[in-house]
Amino acid sequence: EVQLEESGGGLVQPGRSLRLSCAASGFTFDEYAIHWVRQAPGKGLEWVSGISWGSGSTAYADSVKGRFTVSRDNAKNSLYLQMNSLRPEDTAFYYCVKVGAVASKYNLYFQHWGQGTLVTVSS
Amino acid sequence: QSALTQPPSASGSPGQPVIISCTGTSSDVGAYNYVSWYQQHPGKAPKLIFYEVTKRPSGVPDRFSGSKSGNTASLTVSGLQAEDEADYYCSSSAGSNIVVFGGGTKVTVL
Repeated sequence: EVQLEESGGGLVQPGRSLRLSCAASGFTFDEYAIHWVRQAPGKGLEWVSGISWGSGSTAYADSVKGRFTVSRDNAKNSLYLQMNSLRPEDTAFYYCVKVGAVASKYNLYFQHWGQGTLVTVSS
Repeated sequence: QSALTQPPSASGSPGQPVIISCTGTSSDVGAYNYVSWYQQHPGKAPKLIFYEVTKRPSGVPDRFSGSKSGNTASLTVSGLQAEDEADYYCSSSAGSNIVVFGGGTKVTVL
């Protein structure tokens, strides 16, 4: 059974940093792209960032480009999101999501979702 | 990276059909046959209900169907049931490792 478990969320002041982690199990981690999707309370889904199976390719939403960095450690079956210069508008549940297609950079459907971790940016 | 356009709400009586549109551009929906749909019930994580425009994961009822024409994709529920009341989101690939979501549609069963 595929499992994705996010951690690292919490309350942080504007301008500070936070690092999210996602522990994955139940599948061959290094064969799949993994992404981050966020959802502000009561709002819609927003794609944040993605990383290919071998870490060779990353991408970011314009709203986080230059502030967030996605990385993965295939030896530890883990995904990370380093978030710097946080803003109140970054407040959201952050979901770790697994792409359904093996080794795909374009066929990006999110077959499995974690339960999310809440990041609150407030003074 | 502009969001795809969905109607904010849709509704119907049990057994009636509901169609949700998802309009993008020639750089996302129109460029790839990689449109997905997600269903989200309150307090739950989203659930994939369609991928590659028309493919349903196992367990998704066949009263749901997906289609695409040009820059617009559509999700049809042929006969609404009470458990279909939820938020629905479309998404599309928009480049290498890039995804764009729609704003979401709240479906109400009257």
